[in-house]
Amino acid sequence: DVKVTQSSRYLVKRTGEKVFLECVQDMDHENMFWYRQDPGLGLRLIYFSYDVKMKEKGDIPEGYSVSREKKERFSLILESASTNQTSMYLCASNQISTDTQYFGPGTRLTVL
Amino acid sequence: GNSVTQMEGPVTLSEEAFLTINCTYTATGYPSLFWYVQYPGEGLQLLLKATKADDKGSNKGFEATYRKETTSFHLEKGSVQVSDSAVYFCAPEGAGSYQLTFGKGTKLSVIP
Repeated sequence: DVKVTQSSRYLVKRTGEKVFLECVQDMDHENMFWYRQDPGLGLRLIYFSYDVKMKEKGDIPEGYSVSREKKERFSLILESASTNQTSMYLCASNQISTDTQYFGPGTRLTVL
Repeated sequence: GNSVTQMEGPVTLSEEAFLTINCTYTATGYPSLFWYVQYPGEGLQLLLKATKADDKGSNKGFEATYRKETTSFHLEKGSVQVSDSAVYFCAPEGAGSYQLTFGKGTKLSVIP
């Protein structure tokens, strides 16, 4: 069965802290994605990666960076967390030849 | 890039009522079209999809038909259940062949 896992379901951090959100998929997928979900705004793409060490900016990359050192793992990094980054973060993956995206359960991040 | 307009919620229906959630999109070419569902406390999961004009996607009693002429992909179900309470996202394939553009989501609540 397809599985995408995220390191935390809930996270509370302070303004200015460096935050790491981890995502792991066990399907050998080429592509991985990070979204944030906010009420009234739906899902917005932050970054995606189509191969190890490869990344592309999505619609809202400001304030975020990503790392993909291994195929199965895609990390989202908030270099200096701010209160406007309080949100639900969703990771997803898919294979080039098939287009269904598989999502993790999400991490609800609160920045105080 | 592609864009999507989805019926705003929230939508509240009684059990066994008929459901329609409207979705229209703008896109270059003929993208694949998806409906994703998010149950409370979970990540998104694929509900159904259609890959070419006049295709009908179906799953769990839900249906949507790819209408090229009206660039629409409306979601329907003949008789909703309490367990259908969730947020529904329309998502045409995005600019890249493996990206998606998500609508803002429609929250459905079904009451007994």
